[in-house]
Amino acid sequence: EPEVTQTPSHQVTQMGQEVILRCVPISNHLYFYWYRQILGQKVEFLVSFYNNEISEKSEIFDDQFSVERPDGSNFTLKIRSTKLEDSAMYFCASSELGGYTFGSGTRLTVV
Amino acid sequence: AQSVTQLDSHVSVSEGTPVLLRCNYSSSYSPSLFWYVQHPNKGLQLLLKYTSAATLVKGINGFEAEFKKSETSFHLTKPSAHMSDAAEYFCVVTPYNFNKFYFGSGTKLNVKP
Repeated sequence: EPEVTQTPSHQVTQMGQEVILRCVPISNHLYFYWYRQILGQKVEFLVSFYNNEISEKSEIFDDQFSVERPDGSNFTLKIRSTKLEDSAMYFCASSELGGYTFGSGTRLTVV
Repeated sequence: AQSVTQLDSHVSVSEGTPVLLRCNYSSSYSPSLFWYVQHPNKGLQLLLKYTSAATLVKGINGFEAEFKKSETSFHLTKPSAHMSDAAEYFCVVTPYNFNKFYFGSGTKLNVKP
């Protein structure tokens, strides 16, 4: 069964550093998403991406965040200058209208 | 506007007894509804989904859910709990365009031997 692959599974970074979370969506999917889950809290929508541009973003997704599809297969989330409160599990997802699949997540710890 | 309310933050059942995890939704459009399960330190696994076909939806591992428009509910059930069912369960709604998912706050299911 096709999977959404996220790397790395765990990342520890120092406050203020840039971090890039990587995702390989399912190959024939056209819609891509990032969500995050702060420990003990609800899963929150960050951003959706379609046709090489952001289609919707939440208020969480401020100027510190950016997304990119650099090579037609990867889908990345960059956090420019990490803060302690960015520590969370980040989930990538892809869909083709009804076939919504999540990756297994990247646990980001900012110290 | 879309939202999901999971009525119980924790549910505890004995192994072999039925499971009921409650979910109510609010949606301006004809929604699609999902249940996901998350085991500790794992990702989100799709249990089942409703996308305007049959209102009783069967999923993996013996789970099923019934879409009741009149009650705006999508409760998750299983006739007989297994120890391996212990996890956190999320009810999720998305509008017709699937632009984003709205997650409930989750229900932690504990299964006692």
